[in-house]
Amino acid sequence: ETGVTQTPRHLVMGMTNKKSLKCEQHLGHNAMYWYKQSAKKPLELMFVYSLEERVENNSVPSRFSPECPNSSHLFLHLHTLQPEDSALYLCASSQVGDRGRAFFGQGTRLTVV
Amino acid sequence: GQQVMQIPQYQHVQEGEDFTTYCNSSTTLSNIQWYKQRPGGHPVFLIQLVKSGEVKKQKRLTFQFGEAKKNSSLHITATQTTDVGTYFCAGEKLTFGTGTRLTIIP
Repeated sequence: ETGVTQTPRHLVMGMTNKKSLKCEQHLGHNAMYWYKQSAKKPLELMFVYSLEERVENNSVPSRFSPECPNSSHLFLHLHTLQPEDSALYLCASSQVGDRGRAFFGQGTRLTVV
Repeated sequence: GQQVMQIPQYQHVQEGEDFTTYCNSSTTLSNIQWYKQRPGGHPVFLIQLVKSGEVKKQKRLTFQFGEAKKNSSLHITATQTTDVGTYFCAGEKLTFGTGTRLTIIP
């Protein structure tokens, strides 16, 4: 138990579907992250939210849309994905300003068919 | 932007042999962190280095931060099967390196 919970753990979706990944942290942190992990690019940083504001968006396609309604919750909305988007999506949280270490969730294994 | 590279990408060692992974940044870092990800698991924090030339030890693991704060290394002495996994370094804004995947031959 890391204090960061991701749901669902596994997701299979068609290319025309819309789905959302959820992340919740119980650590009182003020920053949350989405990473994509695949064989081609291990731990690719997608989005960073610090104090509920998006501060990093690393050239991620618009078919991925993040949402951070408060400091404890982070969502990744998915629509019209491609098969190459199949990967492990990891959420993490940290305490910004304290060179805080990242605590990761268990990840969501996404398969796009 | 900052790029963090790690070498080697893969390492296979006999149990009991030593293992080293190297992390190199294109820019000077204020700190560097190391993480371990077991197969099927998620990255778990190991240690953070802050000072130039810093060396820290955790049992059989030795971590070093370069004098110029642009590179770092992780050395494992006498590897065990429990050391299997991928080791990542992370620099500014938790930008992770490419990782080194360690496998142990019993």
